[in-house]
Amino acid sequence: NAGVTQTPKFQVLKTGQSMTLQCAQDMNHEYMSWYRQDPGMGLRLIHYSVGAGITDQGEVPNGYNVSRSTTEDFPLRLLSAAPSQTSVYFCASRTGQGRQETQYFGPGTRLLVL
Amino acid sequence: AQTVTQSQPEMSVQEAETVTLSCTYDTSESDYYLFWYKQPPSRQMILVIRQEAYKQQNATENRFSVNFQKAAKSFSLKISDSQLGDAAMYFCAYRTRLGRVSNSGYALNFGKGTSLLVTP
Repeated sequence: NAGVTQTPKFQVLKTGQSMTLQCAQDMNHEYMSWYRQDPGMGLRLIHYSVGAGITDQGEVPNGYNVSRSTTEDFPLRLLSAAPSQTSVYFCASRTGQGRQETQYFGPGTRLLVL
Repeated sequence: AQTVTQSQPEMSVQEAETVTLSCTYDTSESDYYLFWYKQPPSRQMILVIRQEAYKQQNATENRFSVNFQKAAKSFSLKISDSQLGDAAMYFCAYRTRLGRVSNSGYALNFGKGTSLLVTP
């Protein structure tokens, strides 16, 4: 298993540009999520999905869209990039229920918005 | 809302010594989970240890153990026999229920992290 993969590893955007951060997992996990990590901060939840076709907002959803057409993929779209979206983005997927739950993180995508 | 506080932005420990990283949290729930994650310079988030609130026994994983004080809402991480490879950012996290979607999962609520330096 490749686990959770993210592309690209690093991206530079200009203000106003749009782009999609890709996330895929090959573990057949129903639950996937996107976090962002800013300097001096822990991870904050952007959006999550509990299964194909079902998504919802997390703590900091503004400026981002998600969709979940398949179990494997959970892309994060930046509609019009802003410097405040400069951050490291982590995708995660979760297995198990309740007390057997284990969350797996991808390697992260570093985004710089100029 | 649940909050997680790590009061030590940086800590230093000598190789082979023991270090304790602090974490406190605020919650009104009675059943929850707590985690410690390690983030090395590669930025990969690695689960170190987890604690279930309903268990009184402190979790241990090899050189890593926790001191879980439920009444005090405290969850510290002890690293014994520190190694150079332990140098990293350490994040304390609380698992909260999201609740707005049916069959919703859980999100991790993170502290700001503690940077651990290990000196030879």
